[in-house]
Amino acid sequence: EAGVAQSPRYKIIEKRQSVAFWCNPISGHATLYWYQQILGQGPKLLIQFQNNGVVDDSQLPKDRFSAERLKGVDSTLKIQPAKLEDSAVYLCASSLDRGVYNEQFFGPGTRLTVL
Amino acid sequence: GDSVTQMEGPVTLSEEAFLTINCTYTATGYPSLFWYVQYPGEGLQLLLKATKADDKGSNKGFEATYRKETTSFHLEKGSVQVSDSAVYFCALSDQTGANNLFFGTGTRLTVIP
Repeated sequence: EAGVAQSPRYKIIEKRQSVAFWCNPISGHATLYWYQQILGQGPKLLIQFQNNGVVDDSQLPKDRFSAERLKGVDSTLKIQPAKLEDSAVYLCASSLDRGVYNEQFFGPGTRLTVL
Repeated sequence: GDSVTQMEGPVTLSEEAFLTINCTYTATGYPSLFWYVQYPGEGLQLLLKATKADDKGSNKGFEATYRKETTSFHLEKGSVQVSDSAVYFCALSDQTGANNLFFGTGTRLTVIP
């Protein structure tokens, strides 16, 4: 079974530029998550989708971050404009459904460096 | 709010040594508790979990017991191997049904031959 795919794996941009990350979850997984992991910290949830609807985006900085999952499968996370403090690894995860009994499977992440 | 406090690293052990990584949590209600592991160059993987008090999660020789009275979920292994070198994250999930995970800061373990 293929795992969660993410691209690109690495991205370097200058501040005020825009950037987009792509995630393809495990086939059949209804729930998709985006996390931000700053160096030396644990992952922090940014947004959770159930199919193509947003369940929780309370931690998403909506002035510069946006995310979509239009067809309920793959998802895109965008930052516009980027700031230095956005340098982090962006992790995508998926689970079969919501709820604690549904294990979250993580992708390899996209490492973003903002100069 | 919900949070996890994890033993700071890095931790360096010799092969076959005993491992303990401490984890305590703060949460309303009765969260589920997890240990995730991140091997070099790989994504986060679930190592073990416990969903209620006094449950013991175990996998690959690792164990952790959900202690409600001390709000702890310490990770232990009796004899570590070089292949256990990784970053270990303690996490909790509240019971709201959203399955949101709150992670600790991670502990880097290096096992030397």
